[in-house]
Amino acid sequence: AAGVIQSPRHLIKEKRETATLKCYPIPRHDTVYWYQQGPGQDPQFLISFYEKMQSDKGSIPDRFSAQQFSDYHSELNMSSLELGDSALYFCASSPNEPLVGLAESTDTQYFGPGTRLTVL
Amino acid sequence: DAKTTQPNSMESNEEEPVHLPCNHSTISGTDYIHWYRQLPSQGPEYVIHGLTSNVNNRMASLAIAEDRKSSTLILHRATLRDAAVYYCILRDLWGNQGGKLIFGQGTELSVKP
Repeated sequence: AAGVIQSPRHLIKEKRETATLKCYPIPRHDTVYWYQQGPGQDPQFLISFYEKMQSDKGSIPDRFSAQQFSDYHSELNMSSLELGDSALYFCASSPNEPLVGLAESTDTQYFGPGTRLTVL
Repeated sequence: DAKTTQPNSMESNEEEPVHLPCNHSTISGTDYIHWYRQLPSQGPEYVIHGLTSNVNNRMASLAIAEDRKSSTLILHRATLRDAAVYYCILRDLWGNQGGKLIFGQGTELSVKP
């Protein structure tokens, strides 16, 4: 079965550089989530998209931006990189509308293998 | 957001059952209990979820206390491949948290051959 694809798998950047991480969700999944996992830490939610619109925002720095395209893939753009941005970045996709309003949903999130970003 | 409490770590022997506890004393009536696990160097993966009744699937069983203030993930026969960090996560039934997963401190399970 197709899984979530993330590219690149590894990325090394210098401080103050920019980076773009890409996520290709499972076919027919229209919701994408981004998470950041620092060394020895638990994953932290950054941002999510449903049908190409931002649906939720977590502790994402202003230096980061993201979007979801018409083919449902998503990109996380990171500028003015800092040493503290070194982390694993996971993308997850799910087939359902994010849990909003009165629609009961128990959507499962399917995670990609992650992109390991190292900022030197 | 409702909080969950899990032991930092647990050990198990291969082919023995494992019971991973989770306390969620402030759970609301509309919170589902989800379990995800993260194997070394991999992204998290879904294990199981439930609301009130016990649940079984091919990976595990979920036992939910009658008052819903605690739950236990049961791996019936641990294998070396089950060594991972297990996260117990509450998710609001009506989507008031927007669908995101809020990971707390999970339980690191080690399995001895």
